[in-house]
Amino acid sequence: QVTLKESGPGILQPSQTLSLTCTFSGFSLSTYGMGVGWIRQPSGKGLEWLANIWWDDDKYYNPSLKNRLTISKDTSNNQAFLKITNVDTADTATYYCAGGGGSPYWGQGVMVTVSS
Amino acid sequence: DVVLTQTPVSLSVTLGDQASISCRSSQSLVYSDGNTYLKWYLQKPGQSPQLLIYEVSNRFSGVPDRFIGSGSGTDFTLKISRVEPEDLGVYYCFQATHDPPTFGAGTKLELK
Repeated sequence: QVTLKESGPGILQPSQTLSLTCTFSGFSLSTYGMGVGWIRQPSGKGLEWLANIWWDDDKYYNPSLKNRLTISKDTSNNQAFLKITNVDTADTATYYCAGGGGSPYWGQGVMVTVSS
Repeated sequence: DVVLTQTPVSLSVTLGDQASISCRSSQSLVYSDGNTYLKWYLQKPGQSPQLLIYEVSNRFSGVPDRFIGSGSGTDFTLKISRVEPEDLGVYYCFQATHDPPTFGAGTKLELK
C-alpha cells in the first residue's frame, strides 16, 4: 500500500523560504521509474504542477517558478523535499506530493498560508 | 503552455444517469514515443485528487468500469455511466506530454 504525507510550516511571512517534506511508504525512490512530484492548489482554485524528482535524481521544475524552486530527496528515509524561496501571498495554497511510477498516488495535502 | 479546456464547467445529473466531460487540448498530446499522456482525476469535496484514468483510456487500479476514457490527439472524453453518489466532485484532465504539465480548470459533477 502506497501512502504519502506532506508536512510544512503552516504559516510564514512574505520573503521567507517555504520548506515542505513528503514522507512516503510503499515504494522506493531508488527503484527504476519511481518519482515524486509537488502540486499546489489555492483555495477554491485549480491545480498547478510545480516540480518532479526521479529515482535517478533527474529533476523537473515548472518554468513559471523555476528560479524559486529546489526539489531534493532522501532515499534512505523515504522522503522528498521542496523549497520555495521568497514567498508572497500568491503562494498561499494547499501543497500536495504525488508519488510512484507516473505519480498516481497523492498525499492528503498541507495548507500553507503566507501572511504578514 | 498547453491549455486544456474542459466542458462543461458544471454538470447536474440524476443518480444512475450517464455523464460526459470533454477535454480539448491546444496542442496534440501525442508524445514522441507514440504514447498520449492524458490523465483524468476526481477530487471529492475536502479530499486530494485521485487518479481515475491514465494514457487516455486505462483505468487505474480499483477504478470501477463505469469510468471510460477515450479520445486522441487534441480531443478527449471521460464518460461515467450510471453515476453513483461517490462520483460527485470536480473532475480534472491533466497532460504530461508537454512541459510544463498542465491541468484543465475542472468540471464539477453535482446532483440535479
